[in-house]
Amino acid sequence: KNQVEQSPQSLIILEGKNCTLQCNYTVSPFSNLRWYKQDTGRGPVSLTIMTFSENTKSNGRYTATLDADTKQSSLHITASQLSDSASYICVVSDRGSTLGRLYFGRGTQLTVWP
Amino acid sequence: EADIYQTPRYLVIGTGKKITLECSQTMGHDKMYWYQQDPGMELHLIHYSYGVNSTEKGDLSSESTVSRIRTEHFPLTLESARPSHTSQYLCASSETRSSGANVLTFGAGSRLTVL
Repeated sequence: KNQVEQSPQSLIILEGKNCTLQCNYTVSPFSNLRWYKQDTGRGPVSLTIMTFSENTKSNGRYTATLDADTKQSSLHITASQLSDSASYICVVSDRGSTLGRLYFGRGTQLTVWP
Repeated sequence: EADIYQTPRYLVIGTGKKITLECSQTMGHDKMYWYQQDPGMELHLIHYSYGVNSTEKGDLSSESTVSRIRTEHFPLTLESARPSHTSQYLCASSETRSSGANVLTFGAGSRLTVL
């Protein structure tokens, strides 16, 4: 069964600290993996997207890594800010159809305290 | 700044009412989607469209219907709302990048509460 599991479910850190969020998936055949940030009451916004051949990709203070062999990805946030408080969703796409079916994780709820 | 707009952002209605959630995008994307999301849960695809006059049901069974008469417009309709329809509804559109990845842009969502 194709699944996307994220951990931890929730995380609280102090402003300025770093954190790492995890994503494990069983989706096959794999096409790409995306990380989205979703602020409360808003739609998800894309942070990074990585294909099979990419191991790491950065977007400002966000760095995503991908290990396609172990089917794991991580999202590292450096020097956290209050505005980083949000849900971070891992989404994996397969190559089973023209549309590229998307499998969503439940997200990690990050809270950054001052 | 997202170029995909959803209205209303919030809606509270009584059981049995007919409602339409509007979604419009100005990016010229052919593909559009409706997702349903409950708190703490993953997004579930309920409808999608490849283009004008094309609509398909998604993975999650839904009593809602959609139409795609114009490229930029993808409204979702519930003929008779029930409390079980209470949820957040997210509209999205996508472009296909040169890598083949289908990248979604989401609207801000419509929060529906049925009493």
